Amino acid sequence: NAGVTQTPKFQVLKTGQSMTLQCAQDMNHEYMSWYRQDPGMGLRLIHYSVGAGITDQGEVPNGYNVSRSTTEDFPLRLLSAAPSQTSVYFCASKRGNVPYEQYFGPGTRLTVT
Amino acid sequence: QKEVEQDPGPLSVPEGAIVSLNCTYSNSAFQYFMWYRQYSRKGPELLMYTYSSGNKEDGRFTAQVDKSSKYISLFIRDSQPSDSATYLCAMSGANFGNEKLTFGTGTRLTIIP
Repeated sequence: NAGVTQTPKFQVLKTGQSMTLQCAQDMNHEYMSWYRQDPGMGLRLIHYSVGAGITDQGEVPNGYNVSRSTTEDFPLRLLSAAPSQTSVYFCASKRGNVPYEQYFGPGTRLTVT
Repeated sequence: QKEVEQDPGPLSVPEGAIVSLNCTYSNSAFQYFMWYRQYSRKGPELLMYTYSSGNKEDGRFTAQVDKSSKYISLFIRDSQPSDSATYLCAMSGANFGNEKLTFGTGTRLTIIP
């Protein structure tokens, strides 16, 4: 049972480039989320999904796109990278009807130059 | 004003001391109160959760919730160097369809041997 996995661990992008951060979970969780973590800002929700085919925006969705074609996978796309998107990105998942027990992946450190 | 306020620290205490970490919040709808621990360059992991008001104890850790004051605390007894981490409080409403957690910014704790 691998839990929540994220790839890549590190990435450097140039301004304007696009990329996809991968996230997968093997716990059959309905809910999956993407957060970014910045110094002094805590964890901020970017997008979330309550099941395959259903996604919604979080607190800071601009510049990011998501889709959920399977229960296991929830990729995050950066459409045109900007220096303001330099951050650590965490994917998380949880079972339905359990608001507290969210499992986080190890994170992706992204630098946009 | 943020919904959840947490003193970022950093906080340094000697090994064996009692540590008190706190968060305040403004949203009366919050019913689940969580503490996550995040080691350096890792994803957050759930440490404890409390539903509504009251205390909960787990080994050296005690979580307290005072809903009348909108104030939550985490106490660590007999602190160990392995407790050195960032501690994030998180909160959620009781609507089971609502998977959004609101996080504090985190308090960085160092236990000095």
